[in-house]
Amino acid sequence: AQSVTQPDIHITVSEGASLELRCNYSYGATPYLFWYVQSPGQGLQLLLKYFSGDTLVQGIKGFEAEFKRSQSSFNLRKPSVHWSDAAEYFCAVATNNDMRFGAGTRLTVKP
Amino acid sequence: NAGVTQTPKFQVLKTGQSMTLQCAQDMNHNSMYWYRQDPGMGLRLIYYSASEGTTDKGEVPNGYNVSRLNKREFSLRLESAAPSQTSVYFCASRHGLGETQYFGPGTRLLVL
Repeated sequence: AQSVTQPDIHITVSEGASLELRCNYSYGATPYLFWYVQSPGQGLQLLLKYFSGDTLVQGIKGFEAEFKRSQSSFNLRKPSVHWSDAAEYFCAVATNNDMRFGAGTRLTVKP
Repeated sequence: NAGVTQTPKFQVLKTGQSMTLQCAQDMNHNSMYWYRQDPGMGLRLIYYSASEGTTDKGEVPNGYNVSRLNKREFSLRLESAAPSQTSVYFCASRHGLGETQYFGPGTRLLVL
């Protein structure tokens, strides 16, 4: 069965520092992969998605993610974090009928 | 364009009471979903409807029922609420495989 693992429950970075959030997936076929962000008390907003083609995907708010099939990973990166990036981030894999999410990584940004 | 809407935004129930959470989308999407979100567990799929007229169980269906009323609307019913169903419930929709899934703002449910 498909599954998504986000190894880091909570990450703290300083404003202006780089960020990498890890995501590993388990899925038999070619995956459709997503990163969503959730601000406190809000719904989920799509940051970026990967279906096929170029393994480096650009998203909104300066985020990017790289698909590595050999490592079953889809890590999210940002070169310079802003205080407004503090939120919870979810990696997800889509299947024929549904979407499975990781447990999320909460990002805290220090001034 | 409202996207995905959910009602109510917040609800308090006593154990054993019933209620229905409403969801509607105006994007002409085929598939609709109900998730619950609990701390440290991400989003877990309760039920989904791949197309109008069909519904299927997800990861955590026990204690819930759903109705795909038409293409726009997908409701979630708790027949006899339990404290373990205290959670935030999200409705979502998408057009098809590989398409972006859009989420509603959520319903916070507290069962006492």
